[in-house]
Amino acid sequence: DADVTQTPRNRITKTGKRIMLECSQTKGHDRMYWYRQDPGLGLRLIYYSFDVKDINKGEISDGYSVSRQAQAKFSLSLESAIPNQTALYFCATSEGGHTEAFFGQGTRLTVV
Amino acid sequence: RKEVEQDPGPFNVPEGATVAFNCTYSNSASQSFFWYRQDCRKEPKLLMSVYSSGNEDGRFTAQLNRASQYISLLIRDSKLSDSATYLCVVNRNSGNTPLVFGKGTRLSVIA
Repeated sequence: DADVTQTPRNRITKTGKRIMLECSQTKGHDRMYWYRQDPGLGLRLIYYSFDVKDINKGEISDGYSVSRQAQAKFSLSLESAIPNQTALYFCATSEGGHTEAFFGQGTRLTVV
Repeated sequence: RKEVEQDPGPFNVPEGATVAFNCTYSNSASQSFFWYRQDCRKEPKLLMSVYSSGNEDGRFTAQLNRASQYISLLIRDSKLSDSATYLCVVNRNSGNTPLVFGKGTRLSVIA
């Protein structure tokens, strides 16, 4: 089983719908992150959390919200999905600030 | 100036060739450096960390030049399986901020 698991792996949703992407990890890391990836734009940070009580905005947080339900779980919500939120979304974890990040397998989201 | 800049490529090289990628970073206080590999539509995975003294892992060599604020990745004897996007990753400073990812350099190794 993967150390960082994202669900769903693929999702098609309609404009205006609320959708939640979930991430769970078995690595025991405190730090968790949500990124989106678009062709030509690389990975862009949406939100990050350094522990259960800590939530921070990344560079593109507008239109998104997150919840850190436990050390192992970090979910990303799109309150009212729009087509330009169509992207590949990655969850990641890390042990500390100078250590590598481990990624989930990604969620391919299409908003129509 | 972007925090982490990479030549997007693509680099198209024949099997067996040696290819080098450079990456520049803007924050002189950065302390940690990595190269990640990402296959098409897959998650990024750590290829190697980059140490001040430089480090080698088989056909891969990473170097850090703090004075000029760049890191490099050298791949010798390229294989078809090396075809991927290579991401340069930098930590900003004290470790209390997330890693910063470059946009990646695409490599295609051709038979």
